[in-house]
Amino acid sequence: QLQLQESGPALVKPSETLSLTCSVSGDSVITNSYYWGWLRQPPGRGLEWIGSIHFSGSSYYNRSLKSRASMSVDTSKNQFSLKLTSVTAADTAVYFCARQSTSGVVVVAADSWGQGTLVTVSS
Amino acid sequence: EIVMTQSPATLSVSPGEVATLSCRASQTIGTNLAWYQQRPGQAPRLLVSGASTRATGVPARFSGNGSGTDFTLTISSLQSEDFAVYYCQQYDTWPPGFSFGPGTRVEIK
Repeated sequence: QLQLQESGPALVKPSETLSLTCSVSGDSVITNSYYWGWLRQPPGRGLEWIGSIHFSGSSYYNRSLKSRASMSVDTSKNQFSLKLTSVTAADTAVYFCARQSTSGVVVVAADSWGQGTLVTVSS
Repeated sequence: EIVMTQSPATLSVSPGEVATLSCRASQTIGTNLAWYQQRPGQAPRLLVSGASTRATGVPARFSGNGSGTDFTLTISSLQSEDFAVYYCQQYDTWPPGFSFGPGTRVEIK
């Protein structure tokens, strides 16, 4: 059974870099059938897609983040990671990692999610 | 950029009744639409993709419909566990990404 688990600091200072890791069990990140993604949800608000990465290294990011986001895959640890630079209070959110299904070359939907981790940006 | 809107923002329904949720795209997206359910304190759960294809394990009382710009999610005979927030998400603009609607909260009447 697929399980995803986010880990990383719960508190990040403004202007610093937020770093999160998603550990995957029950499936391999080395798959052509899926992308691996990060999404977030500010407290009391809706969902926002951050980015998605394929084990080959192909990645896409939400343009609204203005190149602050980057992702990587560690196939030896069956993990993938997110870095978000120059954070502000607006980046305070629950961050979710997810497996995203594909149809051909199109990423379709997130069919499995981690439980989420709250990251607060504050000094 | 495709903007997704959902209506109503909140839907009050009695258990056993039918709930119909709407999602509209600012431009045509074919059937490139997914629906998610999010219960309080939990991660979202995929219900439907391709506008009408239920995900594995999703009960038949959930049905998605629509194409182009207008979509609906119908929940027949609401159960207690169905009271949650529902989000639609378009993936027509992949690459480079996709967008979510603001959500509809289904609450007990």
